[in-house]
Amino acid sequence: NAGVTQTPKFQVLKTGQSMTLQCAQDMNHEYMSWYRQDPGMGLRLIHYSVGAGITDQGEVPNGYNVSRSTTEDFPLRLLSAAPSQTSVYFCASSRRTGFTEAFFGQGTRLTVV
Amino acid sequence: DQQVKQNSPSLSVQEGRISILNCDYTNSMFDYFLWYKKYPAEGPTFLISISSIKDKNEDGRFTVFLNKSAKHLSLHIVPSQPGDSAVYFCAARGNNNDMRFGAGTRLTVKP
Repeated sequence: NAGVTQTPKFQVLKTGQSMTLQCAQDMNHEYMSWYRQDPGMGLRLIHYSVGAGITDQGEVPNGYNVSRSTTEDFPLRLLSAAPSQTSVYFCASSRRTGFTEAFFGQGTRLTVV
Repeated sequence: DQQVKQNSPSLSVQEGRISILNCDYTNSMFDYFLWYKKYPAEGPTFLISISSIKDKNEDGRFTVFLNKSAKHLSLHIVPSQPGDSAVYFCAARGNNNDMRFGAGTRLTVKP
């Protein structure tokens, strides 16, 4: 009964380093997305995907890349980490059509020093 | 450009009383609205939703009201319980199925 799984749960990076946040879902959902949560800002959409091979930008895409080679996985890449990317990152998945809710992972707390 | 706004960062109510959380939105193309509950160190969990063709949806102690002309929705929790203490996020779904969230309201229910 995994749902949406994110790894790692915690990460500390130095400025300029790159890394990939992993996200996997086992519900066969077409739609997947990444959000970042910052104090007073709520959850802001970074990138999303409506299916394998299709991705698009959300509200705050700069500094992040995504790809969707399979239905199950949607990794988020930080190309050159900056202190402004210190945040809690959430991955979510949902069905693509119909009135349906999104399911969220447990989050990744990232600190860039 | 924040399309979904929750103007009250926090709300404190007494156990057994009603909690009312408010949310405003600017995009008239939103067709589906959701409320999520979030505990510390956990991901948001779905609570209740409403489509744009309805004005009310109930699920047990939780009721969501939608006023499309005012672009306003609210979540009523009655009676409030200490276990309801959490951060509540309002969300709205756009054309591409992407969800936009408000900043959240921290609800504290005092015993």
